[in-house]
Amino acid sequence: NAGVTQTPKFRILKIGQSMTLQCTQDMNHNYMYWYRQDPGMGLKLIYYSVGAGITDKGEVPNGYNVSRSTTEDFPLRLELAAPSQTSVYFCASSYSRLAYSNQPQHFGDGTRLSIL
Amino acid sequence: AQTVTQSQPEMSVQEAETVTLSCTYDTSESDYYLFWYKQPPSRQMILVIRQEAYKQQNATENRFSVNFQKAAKSFSLKISDSQLGDAAMYFCAYRRANYGGSQGNLIFGKGTKLSVKP
Repeated sequence: NAGVTQTPKFRILKIGQSMTLQCTQDMNHNYMYWYRQDPGMGLKLIYYSVGAGITDKGEVPNGYNVSRSTTEDFPLRLELAAPSQTSVYFCASSYSRLAYSNQPQHFGDGTRLSIL
Repeated sequence: AQTVTQSQPEMSVQEAETVTLSCTYDTSESDYYLFWYKQPPSRQMILVIRQEAYKQQNATENRFSVNFQKAAKSFSLKISDSQLGDAAMYFCAYRRANYGGSQGNLIFGKGTKLSVKP
């Protein structure tokens, strides 16, 4: 009953370092998303994927990259960490095989990332 | 572009009482979905309730119900018999209905922090 699993839960990076936030889901969902949540704000979409091999930018993609080589995994990469990327990152997934779908998104527990 | 507005940054309710959280949204689409998510201090995002725009009947899930006013673009959450465990951030979210080839992502409001007093 794992759902969406994110690792790590916490991380501190120095400016200019790089890292990958891992996300995996075991529900065979085709859609996956990365959001960031800044203090006092709602979540904003960074990148999303509609299936293996297909990714696209969301609202705030600058400074990030993603890949989707399998249905299960959707890692988020920070290449040159900047203080503005200090945030809580959420991965989510959902299922849709129809043009219209009311299936909700399932969220991971989040990764708290601090850039110092 | 669609937007979601939660005008109450913080709310407080006495245990066992009822509280209503407000949400308004802006969209030019006629078919969409609306959600309320709960985020406790553990940071998890937990789906509380959802509403399909084409349904006139308001959604209900146990102590949680919504007042969906499509013409007014309003989607409030009512929590009855409030419990200490209801204390959390509550986010209202919008998603377009037809996302077969597009994003399907959620658009969130800034959230309302709900405190429950014993």
